[in-house]
Amino acid sequence: SAVISQKPSRDICQRGTSLTIQCQVDSQVTMMFWYRQQPGQSLTLIATANQGSEATYESGFVIDKFPISRPNLTFSTLTVSNMSPEDSSIYLCSVGFDRAYGYTFGSGTRLTVV
Amino acid sequence: AQSVTQLDSQVPVFEEAPVELRCNYSSSVSVYLFWYVQYPNQGLQLLLKYLSGSTLVESINGFEAEFNKSQTSFHLRKPSVHISDTAEYFCAVSEAGGYQKVTFGTGTKLQVIP
Repeated sequence: SAVISQKPSRDICQRGTSLTIQCQVDSQVTMMFWYRQQPGQSLTLIATANQGSEATYESGFVIDKFPISRPNLTFSTLTVSNMSPEDSSIYLCSVGFDRAYGYTFGSGTRLTVV
Repeated sequence: AQSVTQLDSQVPVFEEAPVELRCNYSSSVSVYLFWYVQYPNQGLQLLLKYLSGSTLVESINGFEAEFNKSQTSFHLRKPSVHISDTAEYFCAVSEAGGYQKVTFGTGTKLQVIP
């Protein structure tokens, strides 16, 4: 399966600042997905990122708050902008789809906003 | 649109006892079904999946799940659990065909008691 490297693994940030999360894949993939897992909750899709086009955001998520870049077929970034404590979550990137391995997830970025 | 319901948020079970984690889904189209496991402070790992064919799917560590289309269920079972199975288990669904967003259930925390 694809191997995903996600950075940073964790961070503690001041409110009002921004954090950019990187997702590097060891093979070329068409679609990348960004998810959020709030404390004690399930995963929620933030957006789908295709190379060469604007990301598609799910209801409740906007580009100004979560800008995404997808400069090539192996890399993507998610920025969490103007952070507040409510943004404290685990953020995960995912790639798909392989019939043998399904959708593969990165190890996640644990963000705490203080 | 699809949805996933995991009926049990927590399931305590004694070591070597059997366990069933319940999952029901809703979708108007054909689906792929997944079970992911998340060990404490780790990322998501695919446990097993149903794409097509045999409705009973198995993992390498003794878990199995059965796709029941008429009951729209994909329950996860293991005949004898180990301490190392303590984790959170997420049922997930996507439209069949791949390269689709994945919708997750709220998760079930399996606690294996020595």
